Amino acid sequence: EVQLVESGGGLAQPGGSLRLSCAASGFIFSGHWMGWVRQAPGKGLEWVANIEQDGREKSYVDSVKGRFSISRDNAKKSLYLQMNSLRAEDTAVYYCAREVDTAMVPYFDNWGQGTLVTVSS
Amino acid sequence: DIQMTQSPSSLSASVGDRVIITCRASQSISTYLNWYQHKPGKAPKLLIYAASSLQSGVPSRFSGSGSETDFTLTISSLQPEDFATYYCQQSYSTPMYTFGQGTKLEIK
Repeated sequence: EVQLVESGGGLAQPGGSLRLSCAASGFIFSGHWMGWVRQAPGKGLEWVANIEQDGREKSYVDSVKGRFSISRDNAKKSLYLQMNSLRAEDTAVYYCAREVDTAMVPYFDNWGQGTLVTVSS
Repeated sequence: DIQMTQSPSSLSASVGDRVIITCRASQSISTYLNWYQHKPGKAPKLLIYAASSLQSGVPSRFSGSGSETDFTLTISSLQPEDFATYYCQQSYSTPMYTFGQGTKLEIK
């Protein structure tokens, strides 16, 4: 069974940092792109970042470029999101998600339960 | 950037109703369109990928159609567990993705 378990959320001050982790199990972690998706309070889902299987290719939504960094450790089957220079608008539940691409169309087929990040003074 | 627009933003319906949610892309995305269901406090759930392919384990009352810029998610006969928020997502601009703003389906 595929499992994705996020951790590391909590309260941070504006301008501060947090590091989110996602522990994966039940599948060959190194064989998949992985991503982070967030949901701010009362808002919809927003894709945040993706990382290729070997960690070389990474992509980010414009609003977090230069502040957030996605990484992975395939030996530990873990995905990370380093969040720096946090802003109030980064307050959200952050989900880790596994990407697959059947028929060449990528999609997120498994998601974690999410971890809440609150940015407030 | 590709923008995704869903309609309606919210919808009230009754158990047994047929419901259609639409999603429009700001440019052609072929069939690079996926649908998710999200309930409060839960992980989002994949329903449909590649516009019309039903994810394993998803009830057959869910179906998707469309291509290029216009897509629909249809629930043929609403069940109590279907009341949730539904999102479309384009993956044409991989690896950068965009979700629609969501459609909240409520009980009438």
